[in-house]
Amino acid sequence: NAGVTQTPKFQVLKTGQSMTLQCAQDMNHNSMYWYRQDPGMGLRLIYYSASEGTTDKGEVPNGYNVSRLNKREFSLRLESAAPSQTSVYFCASSDPSLAGGLRSEQFFGPGTRLTVL
Amino acid sequence: AQSVSQHNHHVILSEAASLELGCNYSYGGTVNLFWYVQYPGQHLQLLLKYFSGDPLVKGIKGFEAEFIKSKFSFNLRKPSVQWSDTAEYFCAVITVHNQGGKLIFGQGTELSVKP
Repeated sequence: NAGVTQTPKFQVLKTGQSMTLQCAQDMNHNSMYWYRQDPGMGLRLIYYSASEGTTDKGEVPNGYNVSRLNKREFSLRLESAAPSQTSVYFCASSDPSLAGGLRSEQFFGPGTRLTVL
Repeated sequence: AQSVSQHNHHVILSEAASLELGCNYSYGGTVNLFWYVQYPGQHLQLLLKYFSGDPLVKGIKGFEAEFIKSKFSFNLRKPSVQWSDTAEYFCAVITVHNQGGKLIFGQGTELSVKP
């Protein structure tokens, strides 16, 4: 049981390049999330997917797109990377059927450290 | 708007000292509260959570937190820290956003424990 996995672990891009961050979970969770972590700002929600086939914007969605490929996988795409997108990106998942319902615990992946030059 | 505020950005303690990290939140509705820890180079792990019931919750590794509704606070405590507690600690409140749970994090507190 690997939990939440993310690839790649590190990535360096040039301004204007595109890339997709991959996330997969093997806990059969319905909900998945993408956050970015910046120094002194904690984590901020970019996009989330409450269930397979649905996605919705979080606090900071500009410059990103997401795809919920199936129940296991939730990818984040940067179409034209900018230096302001240099950050650590975390994927998370949760199961609203667990204690807390929609406010249940979220499980995090190891993160992707992205640098945009 | 909902927000979470952690008052201490960087705390330095010696081993065996007691720890208290402050957390206040701004939200008028039902809240679930969390403390997450991030050890150097690792992902976030749940320390403890409060959903309802006893406002004093115990977590892993000897940590505990007290929910004081009247003060909108959820402070983290540990009686005696160890060098291995060196990490960044995040307080978070979760609210319902459309059909998903949205975690709102504080800015984080970096804890350095001197051996």
